[in-house]
Amino acid sequence: GAGVSQSPSNKVTEKGKDVELRCDPISGHTALYWYRQSLGQGLEFLIYFQGNSAPDKSGLPSDRFSAERTGGSVSTLTIQRTQQEDSAVYLCASSSGQGRYNEQFFGPGTRLTVL
Amino acid sequence: QKEVEQNSGPLSVPEGAIASLNCTYSDRGSQSFFWYRQYSGKSPELIMFIYSNGDKEDGRFTAQLNKASQYVSLLIRDSQPSDSATYLCAVNENKFYFGSGTKLNVKP
Repeated sequence: GAGVSQSPSNKVTEKGKDVELRCDPISGHTALYWYRQSLGQGLEFLIYFQGNSAPDKSGLPSDRFSAERTGGSVSTLTIQRTQQEDSAVYLCASSSGQGRYNEQFFGPGTRLTVL
Repeated sequence: QKEVEQNSGPLSVPEGAIASLNCTYSDRGSQSFFWYRQYSGKSPELIMFIYSNGDKEDGRFTAQLNKASQYVSLLIRDSQPSDSATYLCAVNENKFYFGSGTKLNVKP
């Protein structure tokens, strides 16, 4: 089946504008993660959804960042009032469950550039 | 806070040599470990996972786990220039925790 998909692949916006990034996980995967990766840096955890449980928002860097997951499938990451330091690649990943032995699969990412 | 530590590198090895990538983790109770490879400008891809102490081989790749010492390593035999990438170590404790990655350069 299809892998994790993300849209758009690239987004250029002006400082102060809001942006929405979309992630379609692998069908049937109950766990969904958002990460941010700045140029040359490691993965920065943002938020984790698992089934119907309350999301783990511990990685969100500020209240300008929020995410939703509708119907246990598609997720949208919203960044309000974007700043230049928000420029990065935003990666989504999904996993088939909460168990320790489930691997995680990544989407191709959305490259966000804030001018 | 669970921690996964990796040397950022770069690790440079000549073509044909064995590349050894190491990772340590903080939680002694961790059970499952994953290695991802990330080419520049691409997203991470899973290359191996290991759950039991000892070695696990898959082609040119061998993952090694030592729970007593809390480290996991990845050996790449007969390294090729196409192996040049950043290698990420991850622990799954009902939530994934990633190391910052080790950059590997394989020189022709």
